[in-house]
Amino acid sequence: SAVISQKPSRDICQRGTSLTIQCQVDSQVTMMFWYRQQPGQSLTLIATANQGSEATYESGFVIDKFPISRPNLTFSTLTVSNMSPEDSSIYLCSVRLAGYTDTQYFGPGTRLTVL
Amino acid sequence: EDKVVQSPLSLVVHEGDTVTLNCSYEVTNFRSLLWYKQEKKAPTFLFMLTSSGIEKKSGRLSSILDKKELFSILNITATQTGDSAIYLCAKSSGDKLTFGTGTRLAVRP
Repeated sequence: SAVISQKPSRDICQRGTSLTIQCQVDSQVTMMFWYRQQPGQSLTLIATANQGSEATYESGFVIDKFPISRPNLTFSTLTVSNMSPEDSSIYLCSVRLAGYTDTQYFGPGTRLTVL
Repeated sequence: EDKVVQSPLSLVVHEGDTVTLNCSYEVTNFRSLLWYKQEKKAPTFLFMLTSSGIEKKSGRLSSILDKKELFSILNITATQTGDSAIYLCAKSSGDKLTFGTGTRLAVRP
């Protein structure tokens, strides 16, 4: 597996502001992902963070709302822009290690509350 | 739509009981089936299953996949209060995971 850190671990933000979440992994990984888990719901994939190029977004998620960067193989950021209370969720990054495996390992998550 | 359905949605048992959690999925672009345990925020990996009929086991937890009937089960024997969590299954199509809604398990002393 890999050691994954995320920060902040939690935050309370005002409507209309933006928050950037960082994800750092201790080894080089092939793929990094960002998920959202709304209260009482399961995990939904927001996008795949691609190193050195634009992220690949899932249906229903757009770059203007959730800009993602991945400047190298071990680091990625997700920004939640122009927040509304509906953005209150847990945001999770995950990684897939090198080799033929579908297993993803998750970071500790960021609990976001928007007032 | 890529669907993963888990049942039951929630379950309350007593310590020492055995539980079986169910996960069914759609066959489109299927490559593997994964199980995770989520206690607070971060899901922790339990099993990845790719072949039918081969049981994977870790301590009191075991899981098996049926690719003909498109389902998997997760068994927990001799449950303990520390097993209380949400159990998630996810279907992998290679590049992405599609998660089920989860089963919330509560183990009472």
